[in-house]
Amino acid sequence: AQTVTQSQPEMSVQEAETVTLSCTYDTSESDYYLFWYKQPPSRQMILVIRQEAYKQQNATENRFSVNFQKAAKSFSLKISDSQLGDAAMYFCAYRSYPGGSGSRLTFGEGTQLTVNP
Amino acid sequence: DSGVTQTPKHLITATGQRVTLRCSPRSGDLSVYWYQQSLDQGLQFLIQYYNGEERAKGNILERFSAQQFPDLHSELNLSSLELGDSALYFCASSVLARVVAGAADTQYFGPGTRLTVL
Repeated sequence: AQTVTQSQPEMSVQEAETVTLSCTYDTSESDYYLFWYKQPPSRQMILVIRQEAYKQQNATENRFSVNFQKAAKSFSLKISDSQLGDAAMYFCAYRSYPGGSGSRLTFGEGTQLTVNP
Repeated sequence: DSGVTQTPKHLITATGQRVTLRCSPRSGDLSVYWYQQSLDQGLQFLIQYYNGEERAKGNILERFSAQQFPDLHSELNLSSLELGDSALYFCASSVLARVVAGAADTQYFGPGTRLTVL
């Protein structure tokens, strides 16, 4: 079974600065998807960014980018120009490709991000 | 707004009782997933339905059951409730039954139902 680990329970960043959230995962599969979801105080789960394992190019979405290291099974999220609205719990998630353990998402424990003004 | 709706938003009940949580997927989505978020277990996958049929099962207790109806809405039934069942229950939906190459089959989450068992 796949596991996802987020080793930073809490992180903080100054507004307008850059912060990187870490995620590692364990899998025997060669093809899969990785995601970062954001959960603000409203508790809504919001997709931030996704990465297909077969793509070598790191995904980017505006101020959000990832550093995907397949061999190291590492998937970190970089938030540039941090804004107060970025304050939330961030979850790293894994999803199998066809033939794997279905379409379920396997989540890490989460990292609580605080943005200081 | 993800387009996924869940009712009720909050539910308070007593141990031993039975409750039903309801989810309406986004228009056009055929897959529905249920997840439980609790303080001690984190976010866990419970079960997936696709077009009315069960497709995958996760860490779902025998006291819990789900179904997806012809109009594609889904219900999660929780019975013989225990204190430890208190959690936030999410429904998510996507278009496909499973990931296929090149398809952006994102799971969109509803706002959740907060269940408190007293």
